[in-house]
Amino acid sequence: AQSVSQHNHHVILSEAASLELGCNYSYGGTVNLFWYVQYPGQHLQLLLKYFSGDPLVKGIKGFEAEFIKSKFSFNLRKPSVQWSDTAEYFCAVSRTGNTGKLIFGQGTTLQVKP
Amino acid sequence: DTGVSQDPRHKITKRGQNVTFRCDPISEHNRLYWYRQTLGQGPEFLTYFQNEAQLEKSRLLSDRFSAERPKGSFSTLEIQRTEQGDSAMYLCASSLSTGGGNTIYFGEGSWLTVV
Repeated sequence: AQSVSQHNHHVILSEAASLELGCNYSYGGTVNLFWYVQYPGQHLQLLLKYFSGDPLVKGIKGFEAEFIKSKFSFNLRKPSVQWSDTAEYFCAVSRTGNTGKLIFGQGTTLQVKP
Repeated sequence: DTGVSQDPRHKITKRGQNVTFRCDPISEHNRLYWYRQTLGQGPEFLTYFQNEAQLEKSRLLSDRFSAERPKGSFSTLEIQRTEQGDSAMYLCASSLSTGGGNTIYFGEGSWLTVV
């Protein structure tokens, strides 16, 4: 069965620090990969997605992620975080050509100190 | 607002009661999903509709749970004889089926507390 693992459950950073959140998935076939963000009191929003092509994808708010197929990884990065990035971040995977059903990781809570 | 909307946003119910949640997807979206999320966990897939057909159900969806999408538009999720373990946020999401990749858009969720 597919699974998604996020290595960091809780990350605390100061403003302007660089961010990298790890995500690994287990599935041998072709996948679509996503990062969603949930700001306090708000719904899940798509940060970025990878379907095919360039493995380095750029999303909203300065976030980017790199798909490394050989490592089954899709890590999220941001060079300089802001207090407003405080949120919960979820990595998710779906099988290409499937129902589009997403399998989520357990999430990483990011706290950015001003 | 043309996003996914859910109602009610919060529901407190006594154990053993039935509850029903409604989801209105983005209007042109033919796929609709229900997920459940508990504190500290990522959303877990419950069930999926393409138009009015329920095409997949998770093993998490016990026989006390039933979902419908009668006209291929809005959907309802009913939980019968609620238990304390049903306390969670129930998320609805929708997307287009475009063959290739498709982005799933989530609603704000319906919080259920069973006391």
